[in-house]
Amino acid sequence: AQRVTQPEKLLSVFKGAPVELKCNYSYSGSPELFWYVQYSRQRLQLLLRHISRESIKGFTADLNKGETSFHLKKPFAQEEDSAMYYCALRMNSGYSTLTFGKGTMLLVSP
Amino acid sequence: SAVISQKPSRDICQRGTSLTIQCQVDSQVTMMFWYRQQPGQSLTLIATANQGSEATYESGFVIDKFPISRPNLTFSTLTVSNMSPEDSSIYLCSPSSRQKSNQPQHFGDGTRLSIL
Repeated sequence: AQRVTQPEKLLSVFKGAPVELKCNYSYSGSPELFWYVQYSRQRLQLLLRHISRESIKGFTADLNKGETSFHLKKPFAQEEDSAMYYCALRMNSGYSTLTFGKGTMLLVSP
Repeated sequence: SAVISQKPSRDICQRGTSLTIQCQVDSQVTMMFWYRQQPGQSLTLIATANQGSEATYESGFVIDKFPISRPNLTFSTLTVSNMSPEDSSIYLCSPSSRQKSNQPQHFGDGTRLSIL
């Protein structure tokens, strides 16, 4: 069965510091990986997906199949980045639901 | 992405009662996924609902506790039956279309349930 692991429950950094939120997965096939973000009192929303290979709000994530990782990175954290971040996997069968990691709370202090 | 509306947004319920959560989408979708997010936890899939057939439940979830309806391609309901404090969670719906199966999943605002 597929699994998503986010080893850090909480990551606290200062404004301007680099951020890396870790995500590792286990799945025997070829997965799709996503990062979702949930700001305080807001709905869960898609931040980025690996097949898009784009940068959203300064965040990037690269799928490393060798290390089965999809870490989320940002070179300079902003206070407004403080939120809950969830890594999620979808089996690349074209029609399956998401498996979520437990989430990492990012706190960016001034 | 589709506009997803969930009602109610929150409710406080008495132990032993039941509550039905509604999910409306502004376009036709093949599947409706229902998730639960317990306090401080990640999202867990409850069941997948197709129109015209019984929902498929994940391990640990049963139809008697979480009956689901899917009367048409734009609407679904999830009922939380005989509630206990352990059912206090956020419940979310997420539509998926076979024609757009390569699109990412989006979520409603969720229904925050508190059971006293």
